[in-house]
Amino acid sequence: AQSVTQPDIHITVSEGASLELRCNYSYGATPYLFWYVQSPGQGLQLLLKYFSGDTLVQGIKGFEAEFKRSQSSFNLRKPSVHWSDAAEYFCAVGSGTYKYIFGTGTRLKVLA
Amino acid sequence: EADIYQTPRYLVIGTGKKITLECSQTMGHDKMYWYQQDPGMELHLIHYSYGVNSTEKGDLSSESTVSRIRTEHFPLTLESARPSHTSQYLCASSGTSGGSTDTQYFGPGTRLTVL
Repeated sequence: AQSVTQPDIHITVSEGASLELRCNYSYGATPYLFWYVQSPGQGLQLLLKYFSGDTLVQGIKGFEAEFKRSQSSFNLRKPSVHWSDAAEYFCAVGSGTYKYIFGTGTRLKVLA
Repeated sequence: EADIYQTPRYLVIGTGKKITLECSQTMGHDKMYWYQQDPGMELHLIHYSYGVNSTEKGDLSSESTVSRIRTEHFPLTLESARPSHTSQYLCASSGTSGGSTDTQYFGPGTRLTVL
């Protein structure tokens, strides 16, 4: 069955520290992979996506993600976190029929 | 930046009322979606549409209904709201644009509370 797992429900980092949010997926074919960010009371904003090609994908706000087929992972990274990055982050996989499967999200807290 | 709008942003109503949540997009996308999201939980697809006069139920059963009479408009209706319908409802759209296929763009959401 197709699924997306975000193992970390909550992550706390200090401002200026590096960040890695984990995402593992289960999908039969080559997946379309996405990371979205959601601030409280808001909709989802697309950070980056992977369809094919270079496995290191650059996104907005200084985020990047790396697709590792052998590990079925698509982890999100940022070298230096800002207080404004505090939000909830969702990983999603496209399921071929234009429907997405979302992970349960990782809530990021940033300490000043 | 995506242009997809939802109204109202917040709605508090009594049980038994009929409500319609509006969703509009100006990107000419053919596909539109409704998701339900409870606090701290993942998004669950409740309805989607591939185009005008095409609607399908999603993975999560919902008592709501949708219509797609115009490309840009995808309203969701609850005939008789109940407290169990309290949730956040997110609308999204996707289409082929500039070589990027099948990227969903989300509206700001409607937070519904049924008393």
